[in-house]
Amino acid sequence: AQSVTQPDIHITVSEGASLELRCNYSYGATPYLFWYVQSPGQGLQLLLKYFSGDTLVQGIKGFEAEFKRSQSSFNLRKPSVHWSDAAEYFCAVGAINDYKLSFGAGTTVTVRA
Amino acid sequence: GAGVSQSPSNKVTEKGKDVELRCDPISGHTALYWYRQSLGQGLEFLIYFQGNSAPDKSGLPSDRFSAERTGGSVSTLTIQRTQQEDSAVYLCASSLVLAGAPTSSGANVLTFGAGSRLTVL
Repeated sequence: AQSVTQPDIHITVSEGASLELRCNYSYGATPYLFWYVQSPGQGLQLLLKYFSGDTLVQGIKGFEAEFKRSQSSFNLRKPSVHWSDAAEYFCAVGAINDYKLSFGAGTTVTVRA
Repeated sequence: GAGVSQSPSNKVTEKGKDVELRCDPISGHTALYWYRQSLGQGLEFLIYFQGNSAPDKSGLPSDRFSAERTGGSVSTLTIQRTQQEDSAVYLCASSLVLAGAPTSSGANVLTFGAGSRLTVL
């Protein structure tokens, strides 16, 4: 069965600094990969997705992620964070002909002034 | 509608009572999912619908949990005889096609509602 690991439970970053959130997955097939963000009291919003092709994908709000098959990773990055980026971030994995997404436990990002 | 709507947004109930949580998906979305998010946990898959059919109910935590979907639209998640461990945020999501459908168009991307926060006292 597929699994998703987000090794960092909580990350604190200064406003304007860069951010990288780690995601590792375990799945036998070619995965579909997603990053979602959840602000307090809100549902999950899609940041970006990878299905195939270029392994560096661009998303909304200035985020990007890189799929590295050899490392089974799909890390999320942002060059310069804003206070509004404080939220919880979830990595999710699906696969062709698999009907559900599996989510990681999430990483909470705190942005300090 | 424009997005996935869930109601109630907040529900406080006493242990042993039954609760119903409602999800109104995006119009035209054939796939509908229920997830549970407990404090400090990731999202736990509960059940999915393809149209009105729920082919796999194995994700439901116990036989106190049930779900239905009518008219290929609204879905209701029912929890009978609630327990304190049922306290969580219940998230509903919908998509044009199932998450694993072969596509590069994004039709299988899940759109989530804001969730229903259930507190069992």
